[in-house]
Amino acid sequence: QKEVEQNSGPLSVPEGAIASLNCTYSDRGSQSFFWYRQYSGKSPELIMSIYSNGDKEDGRFTAQLNKASQYVSLLIRDSQPSDSATYLCAVRGFNSGGSNYKLTFGKGTLLTVNP
Amino acid sequence: DTEVTQTPKHLVMGMTNKKSLKCEQHMGHRAMYWYKQKAKKPPELMFVYSYEKLSINESVPSRFSPECPNSSLLNLHLHALQPEDSALYLCASSQGSSGSSYNEQFFGPGTRLTVL
Repeated sequence: QKEVEQNSGPLSVPEGAIASLNCTYSDRGSQSFFWYRQYSGKSPELIMSIYSNGDKEDGRFTAQLNKASQYVSLLIRDSQPSDSATYLCAVRGFNSGGSNYKLTFGKGTLLTVNP
Repeated sequence: DTEVTQTPKHLVMGMTNKKSLKCEQHMGHRAMYWYKQKAKKPPELMFVYSYEKLSINESVPSRFSPECPNSSLLNLHLHALQPEDSALYLCASSQGSSGSSYNEQFFGPGTRLTVL
């Protein structure tokens, strides 16, 4: 059973701080890793994808991947109240056929950024 | 343009009704997905179409019937639903190259379904 684990939170940070969101996964063969942001009542929005070990930066967001430790994280610098949302970690393994399309989602971490 | 559209935004139906949810994308993606999401839970995969063929059916009850008329459109036909089927139904699409390990999935805004 492939699993993706996230701290459910809520994670509360002050405005301007760095928010750190963590995710671990059980399938060592996983190849692709994604972070989605979901505002209450809205659909998930893809904000970061990472495929190789190391860091990937996009604006205020940095994704970090460590395949040896089976760990992926998302850092949000200079957090804003508008970043308050649930962040979903999603992982895809590499299999032939249809299962190559399947994402395994974590349960999500609720982030609250306080003004 | 990373846009997936869904209609309707909201749907209320009785247990004896038949209705359809519609999804459209114009990104040239060849894989399309239906997910169901309950409150405070992650999306739950229902169906995957790859190159207009049903690739994955996650043991979804037959009261949900997917259809992919062409590479840009995806429908979900609903019949004899139960109140517990009330949820946010999400459509997503991705490039769909079977050899790619990337396949970023982009979600539509969803249809909020209430079954009375």
